[in-house]
Amino acid sequence: GQQLNQSPQSMFIQEGEDVSMNCTSSSIFNTWLWYKQDPGEGPVLLIALYKAGELTSNGRLTAQFGITRKDSFLNISASIPSDVGIYFCAGSSGSARQLTFGSGTQLTVLP
Amino acid sequence: ETGVTQSPTHLIKTRGQQVTLRCSSQSGHNTVSWYQQALGQGPQFIFQYYREEENGRGNFPPRFSGLQFPNYSSELNVNALELDDSALYLCASGVSRQNTEAFFGQGTRLTVV
Repeated sequence: GQQLNQSPQSMFIQEGEDVSMNCTSSSIFNTWLWYKQDPGEGPVLLIALYKAGELTSNGRLTAQFGITRKDSFLNISASIPSDVGIYFCAGSSGSARQLTFGSGTQLTVLP
Repeated sequence: ETGVTQSPTHLIKTRGQQVTLRCSSQSGHNTVSWYQQALGQGPQFIFQYYREEENGRGNFPPRFSGLQFPNYSSELNVNALELDDSALYLCASGVSRQNTEAFFGQGTRLTVV
């Protein structure tokens, strides 16, 4: 089945620093989504990308849909303590609307 | 807050038992999907329902089954529970079958002992 490789697995950064994480796939996706999950909660949708090459921002978050349709990255600028959590990429392709998730990036923001 | 609610929030069952998890979709959403999230992993797609019919299924055995009701609420049923079924079960609703964006509930933490 489809596999998403998400990296890095974990990150420790200082408050105020910028963060970058990415996902790659062996298969083409038509849609890329980025979610954040806090402990004991369900994932919350951050950004949705629908076209190859698309660059979309949501506040301090910026995400891009790779030209090859096999990758995506998420950048967080000027990190703050509430950015702590697990970030997941997810892709969808073809007529199936199921999401294939990456394994997550655990982000820790140090004061 | 997504408007998707799940019950119960936590559940402990014994191996071999059956369990039913419930989900109330966000108003205006007519698709519901269920995902299983093992500890330290990303969610894995179980199945999706659209207009009360199964609309896609992941790599899960038939003992995982579901229902969607006319008011777009949904159930996930798991028979003959195994220890490996211990996980966070997430329900996600969507605006339409064509729209990929999924909005998740807070999940049900199932522990099988």
